[in-house]
Amino acid sequence: ELKVEQNPLFLSMQEGKNYTIYCNYSTTSDRLYWYRQDPGKSLESLFVLLSNGAVKQEGRLMASLDTKARLSTLHITAAVHDLSATYFCAVERSQGGSEKLVFGKGTKLTVNP
Amino acid sequence: NAGVMQNPRHLVRRRGQEARLRCSPMKGHSHVYWYRQLPEEGLKFMVYLQKENIIDESGMPKERFSAEFPKEGPSILRIQQVVRGDSAAYFCASSPTRDPKRELFFGEGSRLTVL
Repeated sequence: ELKVEQNPLFLSMQEGKNYTIYCNYSTTSDRLYWYRQDPGKSLESLFVLLSNGAVKQEGRLMASLDTKARLSTLHITAAVHDLSATYFCAVERSQGGSEKLVFGKGTKLTVNP
Repeated sequence: NAGVMQNPRHLVRRRGQEARLRCSPMKGHSHVYWYRQLPEEGLKFMVYLQKENIIDESGMPKERFSAEFPKEGPSILRIQQVVRGDSAAYFCASSPTRDPKRELFFGEGSRLTVL
């Protein structure tokens, strides 16, 4: 059974600081997704990582994927208050012609002024 | 191009009643997924449908829950005889056919409260 673990689950940081969120998963997969969720809202797609060594950047966020280590990171550079949200990683599980996402529990990020 | 539309956004039911949640996928998308989110948790897969077909329902409870995606109209997730443990946010997502990224686009969710 595919398990996805994120850490930390809660992160409080000051504006201007850098930090990394980690996403480990238990079985082989070549696709990993990062989503952002604001309270009471839907999930917004941030990154789709499709291969080993993939690195994508958007603004102050950068995501990477190491399929050999079964690890993805979401790095936050010079955090700003607007980045406060919950961030989920999700790993694709393919089985019997069906692909579905298995989500981590999420990392609740609070950026303090 | 409208996004994934879900309704109702909020639904309150008493124990034993039925809940029906609707999802209209994005235009051109033929794959629909339903996920459930409990408070402070990640999303858990329930069911994957294509038009008139259930592809994978391995995440759906065997009793009281059913889903359909008819040829015409929205996908429906139906919960019969609701219990308090069914209180959650139910998200629908869609994706287009032949998308190599297989990216999912999520709706705003339907928040079910069972009294």
